[in-house]
Amino acid sequence: GQQVMQIPQYQHVQEGEDFTTYCNSSTTLSNIQWYKQRPGGHPVFLIQLVKSGEVKKQKRLTFQFGEAKKNSSLHITATQTTDVGTYFCAGVHRQAAGNKLTFGGGTRVLVKP
Amino acid sequence: DGGITQSPKYLFRKEGQNVTLSCEQNLNHDAMYWYRQDPGQGLRLIYYSQIVNDFQKGDIAEGYSVSREKKESFPLTVTSAQKNPTAFYLCASSFSGSSYNEQFFGPGTRLTVL
Repeated sequence: GQQVMQIPQYQHVQEGEDFTTYCNSSTTLSNIQWYKQRPGGHPVFLIQLVKSGEVKKQKRLTFQFGEAKKNSSLHITATQTTDVGTYFCAGVHRQAAGNKLTFGGGTRVLVKP
Repeated sequence: DGGITQSPKYLFRKEGQNVTLSCEQNLNHDAMYWYRQDPGQGLRLIYYSQIVNDFQKGDIAEGYSVSREKKESFPLTVTSAQKNPTAFYLCASSFSGSSYNEQFFGPGTRLTVL
């Protein structure tokens, strides 16, 4: 079946350091979206990538979509305590009907002050 | 304010009972979705609907049922056939018509089966 895998599952980061989380799909994606879920909260949309090789930035967050449209990454620079939460990637597979998203398992980010 | 609401926030149910979770949106979205999230896990799609009076099974539909009689509402019933219903249930909505639409999530309902 269509799967989306994320690594690492957990990320412990010292405040001020950088880190990257990776997302890999078993099949080619039409687009990929990233969401953030704070502890006890609900997922909130961050960004969507559509084009092969696309790179988008939001302040300290950099999102990339692979050339083959099967993988993506989120890089956070100068981590802050406000970055705590779980980051999910979610892809729309080319074969999927409608707007059906397949979510990765998420990367849980803990920040050490 | 525009948004998506879910009620109740916490729900306790005895084994063998059916329970219905509410989801309402006033964003004028055509598509609505139900996800299940287990502790430390990702989101799994239960059911989704792209238009009123139509819905499709997601990846884990067994033991659940839905209806879509109004554009604004997409209630989920967790039936007694669901073997392990304790989880966090999230409802979402989006515009439809293309595959490039973000989903807006409600605050969720935490269901505990006693």
